[in-house]
Amino acid sequence: NAGVTQTPKFRVLKTGQSMTLLCAQDMNHEYMYWYRQDPGMGLRLIHYSVGEGTTAKGEVPDGYNVSRLKKQNFLLGLESAAPSQTSVYFCATLAVNQETQYFGPGTRLLVL
Amino acid sequence: GEDVEQSLFLSVREGDSSVINCTYTDSSSTYLYWYKQEPGAGLQLLTYIFSNMDMKQDQRLTVLLNKKDKHLSLRIADTQTGDSAIYFCAESPSGAGSYQLTFGKGTKLSVIP
Repeated sequence: NAGVTQTPKFRVLKTGQSMTLLCAQDMNHEYMYWYRQDPGMGLRLIHYSVGEGTTAKGEVPDGYNVSRLKKQNFLLGLESAAPSQTSVYFCATLAVNQETQYFGPGTRLLVL
Repeated sequence: GEDVEQSLFLSVREGDSSVINCTYTDSSSTYLYWYKQEPGAGLQLLTYIFSNMDMKQDQRLTVLLNKKDKHLSLRIADTQTGDSAIYFCAESPSGAGSYQLTFGKGTKLSVIP
């Protein structure tokens, strides 16, 4: 039981490049979330999903897209990376009958 | 909108008690949480409290909730060097069917040996 895993752990991009961050969970949780963490800003919600095939915008969705084609995976895409997207990205999951979110280990992204 | 505030830094001596404070704005929050983040790691749930409770104790951790003042605190007894981390307060706003959390900016706890 791996819990919540994130791929890759670290990535360097050039401005304008695209990439996809993968979040995978083996806990059969319905809800999944993508956050970004920046110094002095805490965690801010980018997008979330309440179930397979559904996505919704969070607090800071601009410049990102997401997909939830399978219940266990939640993908975060950057179509044209910008230096402002340099951050640490965390995925989290939640089961409907539970009260708390479980977090992945994070993906560190540097955009030059 | 919802807002969660916490002080950014706290420094304590090993063996002393640490108290980390948090204020929130959504008076109808269902749950309030404390997460711990160690360097280079994700967030780990420490404890949470249901909004109809005043206090919750779990080993060295005590959570106090003053719903009238919208104030939440986390007390760590006998603080150890391994407790050095960033602690996040979070609330689950009411009516958020997607169970979204609103996080504070985090309090960095430094434990002096």
